[in-house]
Amino acid sequence: AQSVTQLGSHVSVSEGALVLLRCNYSSSVPPYLFWYVQYPNQGLQLLLKYTSAATLVKGINGFEAEFKKSETSFHLTKPSAHMSDAAEYFCAVRQGGSEKLVFGKGTKLTVNP
Amino acid sequence: EAGVAQSPRYKIIEKRQSVAFWCNPISGHATLYWYQQILGQGPKLLIQFQNNGVVDDSQLPKDRFSAERLKGVDSTLKIQPAKLEDSAVYLCASSLQGSYGYTFGSGTRLTVV
Repeated sequence: AQSVTQLGSHVSVSEGALVLLRCNYSSSVPPYLFWYVQYPNQGLQLLLKYTSAATLVKGINGFEAEFKKSETSFHLTKPSAHMSDAAEYFCAVRQGGSEKLVFGKGTKLTVNP
Repeated sequence: EAGVAQSPRYKIIEKRQSVAFWCNPISGHATLYWYQQILGQGPKLLIQFQNNGVVDDSQLPKDRFSAERLKGVDSTLKIQPAKLEDSAVYLCASSLQGSYGYTFGSGTRLTVV
């Protein structure tokens, strides 16, 4: 079964600094991978998705992620953090043969002024 | 387009009581999901509907949880009787069949005391 592991439950960066949130996946078939963001007391919003096209995926709010098969990784990055990026971020993998998403435990991003 | 609507937003009940949550998906979305998100964890799929049929309910605690999607549109998730460990956010999501990624509602935060 597919799964994802998010390294680091909390990440803290300064405003303007690089954001790097790590996600490694486990899948026996080419995966479909997703990053979602969750602001306090809200549902999950799709940031970006990898569906076996380009390995570098650009999403909303300046985020991007690169699919690296050799490293089984799909890390999320943003060149310059903004205060409004403070939220919890979830990596997810779609189960092969179904539309079910399996989520990681999440990484809470704090942005310091 | 209107998003996924959920109600209520918050609910506090005593253990052994019953509770019901309601979800109205995006118009035309055939697939509907209920996820449970316990504090500090990623969302976990409880049940997936395709129109009014159940596709996956393997992680639904059927001794106390039930869900229905009459007429293939709105859905209701019920817990009876509730336990303390049911305290969580219950997220509803919907998607077009064959699409990638879901649209989530804002969720219902349940506290069982």
